[in-house]
Amino acid sequence: SQQGEEDPQALSIQEGENATMNCSYKTSINNLQWYRQNSGRGLVHLILIRSNEREKHSGRLRVTLDTSKKSSSLLITASRAADTASYFCATPRAGNTGKLIFGQGTTLQVKP
Amino acid sequence: GAVVSQHPSRVICKSGTSVKIECRSLDFQATTMFWYRQFPKQSLMLMATSNEGSKATYEQGVEKDKFLINHASLTLSTLTVTSAHPEDSSFYICSAVSITSGPQETQYFGPGTRLLVL
Repeated sequence: SQQGEEDPQALSIQEGENATMNCSYKTSINNLQWYRQNSGRGLVHLILIRSNEREKHSGRLRVTLDTSKKSSSLLITASRAADTASYFCATPRAGNTGKLIFGQGTTLQVKP
Repeated sequence: GAVVSQHPSRVICKSGTSVKIECRSLDFQATTMFWYRQFPKQSLMLMATSNEGSKATYEQGVEKDKFLINHASLTLSTLTVTSAHPEDSSFYICSAVSITSGPQETQYFGPGTRLLVL
């Protein structure tokens, strides 16, 4: 079954605004990853946050992880039109196999 | 660094033919590569795990005789869609994990291959 559930499914904002996407998962994890996918392209790794971390920053990206609530959020600050893409969270499947389970994704549109 | 390429980027074929998709890690070695399938506006679904030097492992519901995987070297995995049918039309994406990373580390994704079967 799909582990990661994301909301909202779609988000439309104006350039300069912040965008927040949320991801929930069901089982215990040791890390959670966020990826971006531009339309018709492959995935680009954005950030990996480990279970012992609560917050991580990378440029305009801020990721939080709450293991007690089994949820994570991705915040993009001062959004740009180029941030328009789909964003997926991914968690490792149990068993140390390296397999990832992807959420359904949030489609972000940033209007210029 | 950590670039993964796929070839071809898009392919159109007739029903009944076979199509081979290559996935290469360009600047690192990968003992493990993953193959995903993505339908429009949907998430990625893992199809199989490709391990160099051993047989691929397939997810439940994925036909191994339909989707042949060969991991010939530490930088190349191929997916062959045999006897393709229109329902096989999809976006196929591979990913690779660096040999120097643990299994639960970052996966590097290829740009994807769009397959259209007529």
